[in-house]
Amino acid sequence: DAGITQSPRYKITETGRQVTLMCHQTWSHSYMFWYRQDLGHGLRLIYYSAAADITDKGEVPDGYVVSRSKTENFPLTLESATRSQTSVYFCASASGARYEQYFGPGTRLTVT
Amino acid sequence: RKEVEQDPGPFNVPEGATVAFNCTYSNSASQSFFWYRQDCRKEPKLLMSVYSSGNEDGRFTAQLNRASQYISLLIRDSKLSDSATYLCVANSGGGADGLTFGKGTHLIIQP
Repeated sequence: DAGITQSPRYKITETGRQVTLMCHQTWSHSYMFWYRQDLGHGLRLIYYSAAADITDKGEVPDGYVVSRSKTENFPLTLESATRSQTSVYFCASASGARYEQYFGPGTRLTVT
Repeated sequence: RKEVEQDPGPFNVPEGATVAFNCTYSNSASQSFFWYRQDCRKEPKLLMSVYSSGNEDGRFTAQLNRASQYISLLIRDSKLSDSATYLCVANSGGGADGLTFGKGTHLIIQP
């Protein structure tokens, strides 16, 4: 039972480069979410998806792009990475909007 | 703006003691509530769900007060392994964007 996985677990990239963070879940949950977590801010929602091909912006979407062509995958792309995007990124999934979310192990991204 | 507020702590508590945290939520339409535990540099993990007035699971008890819009978490007979950050969470009251997370309360259990 793999649950929810993220890759890579650690990534160092340079300013201006495009980088994609992967998220995969095996529960067939309809909802998936991307958060970033920074000291002093807690978890902030970047994008979410209620189903395949349905995505919507969260609290801090600028500079990020998502897609959801398959229910199990929800990649997050930083189109042109900036230092302010250095953070820990968590993907989560849930069976519904008001239900408990289950988190992946996170990706620690550093933009130099 | 929907918010969940928590005392960031840290709460320094001797092993074996009982500790309680409260959090308040601003969205009166919230219907479901959760407590998550997060260890340093790890992902948040679900500790308890609270759909009605409260829930109990071993040493952990969560209570909901809808009139005052707060949720509490009580930990009895605390263990060293309970040291973590505890996140209070409320659903968005019908919105599709899921849950609103508090910034967490840091708990340190001392031997």
